[in-house]
Amino acid sequence: DTGVSQDPRHKITKRGQNVTFRCDPISEHNRLYWYRQTLGQGPEFLTYFQNEAQLEKSRLLSDRFSAERPKGSFSTLEIQRTEQGDSAMYLCASGVLRDSRGYTFGSGTRLTVV
Amino acid sequence: DQQVKQNSPSLSVQEGRISILNCDYTNSMFDYFLWYKKYPAEGPTFLISISSIKDKNEDGRFTVFLNKSAKHLSLHIVPSQPGDSAVYFCAASQNTNAGKSTFGDGTTLTVKP
Repeated sequence: DTGVSQDPRHKITKRGQNVTFRCDPISEHNRLYWYRQTLGQGPEFLTYFQNEAQLEKSRLLSDRFSAERPKGSFSTLEIQRTEQGDSAMYLCASGVLRDSRGYTFGSGTRLTVV
Repeated sequence: DQQVKQNSPSLSVQEGRISILNCDYTNSMFDYFLWYKKYPAEGPTFLISISSIKDKNEDGRFTVFLNKSAKHLSLHIVPSQPGDSAVYFCAASQNTNAGKSTFGDGTTLTVKP
């Protein structure tokens, strides 16, 4: 297994367009998390899945954001009607509950809204 | 209100010396703490963690200390190496869901040869 994969690595979009990011977690990890990171700040929690169930969403996740994890494997994060404030690094992490090795992050998708 | 604070944005140490990175938290519900290291253009990489039932955890050159009464933790790196130069994030969570972490804003460590 090559770790957590995120696609694309970079995305430039015009304001108002929709974008979708994909995350492929480590195969045996049943938990998957999405975070957002802006310049100079730490990652902020957005939402997480256990298998295919979305168990929690942050108040940061407005109605324009939606995440799915069909069949408990890969996950997608969609942002509709993008705004300049959505420009950030979107990070995905996967892991297993109570695993002392922590959670494995992907390299992220950098979104730039122009 | 920022619940996890890393008050030093940057730290510079000489190779071979000790690096001490500090972190403070305010939420007493946090009972599991993690440190991540991040290189440019990569995601954070897990380094070491500590549960609130312990006050110290060691892994090779890395030791994390937890002072629950002060709501403070620190990461010690001994000896520091140039390859340790990175951004270090402190993260706090509840043990029931350690993947949902609240992160500090990071400390950039530079280890000079």
